[in-house]
Amino acid sequence: EIVLTQSPGTLSLSPGERATLSCRASQSVSSSYLAWYQQKPGQAPRLLIYGASSRATGIPDRFSGSGSGTDFTLTISRLEPEDFAVYYCQQYGSSFFGQGTKLEIK
Amino acid sequence: QVQLQESGPGLVKPSQTLSLTCTVSGGSISSGSYYWSWIRQPAGKGLEWIGRIYTSGSTNYNPSLKSRVTISVDTSKNQFSLKLSSVTAADTAVYYCARERGEWLAFYYYYGMDVWGQGTTVTVSS
Repeated sequence: EIVLTQSPGTLSLSPGERATLSCRASQSVSSSYLAWYQQKPGQAPRLLIYGASSRATGIPDRFSGSGSGTDFTLTISRLEPEDFAVYYCQQYGSSFFGQGTKLEIK
Repeated sequence: QVQLQESGPGLVKPSQTLSLTCTVSGGSISSGSYYWSWIRQPAGKGLEWIGRIYTSGSTNYNPSLKSRVTISVDTSKNQFSLKLSSVTAADTAVYYCARERGEWLAFYYYYGMDVWGQGTTVTVSS
């Protein structure tokens, strides 16, 4: 069973800053299996990234994904007010999610 | 545009079976390289994948829930369903249904859970 560990648990940044969120797998994961989601309070998650680096339909280009093997990263280049939310990584093999990173306004 | 809608009782007694249905609208549940999942989220906590079903009828379940979970599909109604038996308070959560897609290229490529229902709250209490 592959476990995904996200860090940090909480990230406090200001609008306009760059956010870097990490997702580490307990064993190697195919890049084609790795997805990222955004969830705002009271809403269902929204797919941001699939295949580790491909943006889903309608996702702004300030969101980017990268990584391979056991280390994956979600980067938000310049934070907009609507980007403050919880972010989850997920891998297809077991379909388990990471525990999430809360991105909050500093 | 495909939409998903969960339905079912909001309150279930301990030891009973939780039953939810997800209705797919705007497209056929049988079309494309799609499969259909259930995910839950206890209040204030993270996402937990419960299981998925392919339109062939084959299923995958979270090992921690496998002994209590059954996911089925009714293509004639464009619905898929979740049954979770012997529930306890720990099963209290928002339950989501979602569409996933993947396909074999030179390797298996997973396109993620791209459509989600709005979620339905299920409380386990006597």
